[in-house]
Amino acid sequence: NAGVTQTPKFQVLKTGQSMTLQCAQDMNHEYMSWYRQDPGMGLRLIHYSVGAGITDQGEVPNGYNVSRSTTEDFPLRLLSAAPSQTSVYFCASRPVNTGELFFGEGSRLTVL
Amino acid sequence: EDQVTQSPEALRLQEGESSSLNCSYTVSGLRGLFWYRQDPGKGPEFLFTLYSAGEEKEKERLKATLTKKESFLHITAPKPEDSATYLCAVQAFSSGTYKYIFGTGTRLKVLA
Repeated sequence: NAGVTQTPKFQVLKTGQSMTLQCAQDMNHEYMSWYRQDPGMGLRLIHYSVGAGITDQGEVPNGYNVSRSTTEDFPLRLLSAAPSQTSVYFCASRPVNTGELFFGEGSRLTVL
Repeated sequence: EDQVTQSPEALRLQEGESSSLNCSYTVSGLRGLFWYRQDPGKGPEFLFTLYSAGEEKEKERLKATLTKKESFLHITAPKPEDSATYLCAVQAFSSGTYKYIFGTGTRLKVLA
């Protein structure tokens, strides 16, 4: 059982470049979300979705876009990368009626 | 302001030396408190959910407890393989939606 799969695991970008982090889950979870993890800070919510076609902003949404066209996929787009977006990004999902999050293995992004 | 604070930031134990990790929280509308384990380079892995004061959950050498203001993760006779970062999170109801607030974690190192 694959669970939550994130790609790529590592990425280096130059300031101003755009890219998409991919996230797919095979557990039929309605809820999907993106977090960033920075040293000395707790996981911070970027965007989330409670089902196909429904997305909303989290705590730190600026500079990121999301869409949810299927239950399985929830890509995160960086529109114009900035050094402040250097971080480890985690995708997480859960059934809508429980609180337990299932995380992917993370995508480490460096913006030069 | 909703907040989750974990202590200590880091903890070194000898194998077999029991100890406790603390997670204190100030949130309104608490729905649940969660403990996760995170190994280096990996995503957080779910351990426990606690819903009400007085509740306890156990798994192998780990036991989680909850009061109205804090939670403890007790580690009994730890082994080197228990070395990881332990994250605490609360799910709270705020502004018409449920949100997660993560602590910054406790880095545990168990020495053989």
